[in-house]
Amino acid sequence: AQSVTQLDSHVSVSEGTPVLLRCNYSSSYSPSLFWYVQHPNKGLQLLLKYTSAATLVKGINGFEAEFKKSETSFHLTKPSAHMSDAAEYFCVVWTSYDKVIFGPGTSLSVIP
Amino acid sequence: DGGITQSPKYLFRKEGQNVTLSCEQNLNHDAMYWYRQDPGQGLRLIYYSQIVNDFQKGDIAEGYSVSREKKESFPLTVTSAQKNPTAFYLCASSILGPGGRNQPQHFGDGTRLSIL
Repeated sequence: AQSVTQLDSHVSVSEGTPVLLRCNYSSSYSPSLFWYVQHPNKGLQLLLKYTSAATLVKGINGFEAEFKKSETSFHLTKPSAHMSDAAEYFCVVWTSYDKVIFGPGTSLSVIP
Repeated sequence: DGGITQSPKYLFRKEGQNVTLSCEQNLNHDAMYWYRQDPGQGLRLIYYSQIVNDFQKGDIAEGYSVSREKKESFPLTVTSAQKNPTAFYLCASSILGPGGRNQPQHFGDGTRLSIL
């Protein structure tokens, strides 16, 4: 069975410190993996995607993620948090149109 | 600017009433999707459509109906059979890729539905 686990429901960091949001997946296929960000009462915005090319993927707003097949992980990182990064983050596994699995989300708080 | 427009932003439903949520896209995407989002949970797929006049049920289609008469439009009706409709509804669209995968979805800003 395919699944996505986001290991932390909530992460709190100080402004200017690194961000790490963890995601592990389980898939029978070679998956496509995405990270999305959602601000309150808004839709989801694509941060970055992995589609079997380079394992280190760079996205928008300084975020990047590394695909580690041996660990079945796709953790999202950013070197220095900004206040505007406070939002909900979703890790998504996509194997086909009807097999899109969203993780439960991680809420990121940034402390000034 | 290209994008997805969902309306209304807030919607209230009375008991026994059907309501329709609008979703329009001008991205020329073939595929469109409806998701339901509940607090503390990820998104769950209600319906999706890859082509005009065709659509498939997702994981939680009971109590919902859709139509796809035009490429740009994919309205969702929440029927009275849906006993717990209070949620945030998100519409998305994507390009059709080979094998139906690898193409990221673009999302609208959602409709929040509440029960009166």
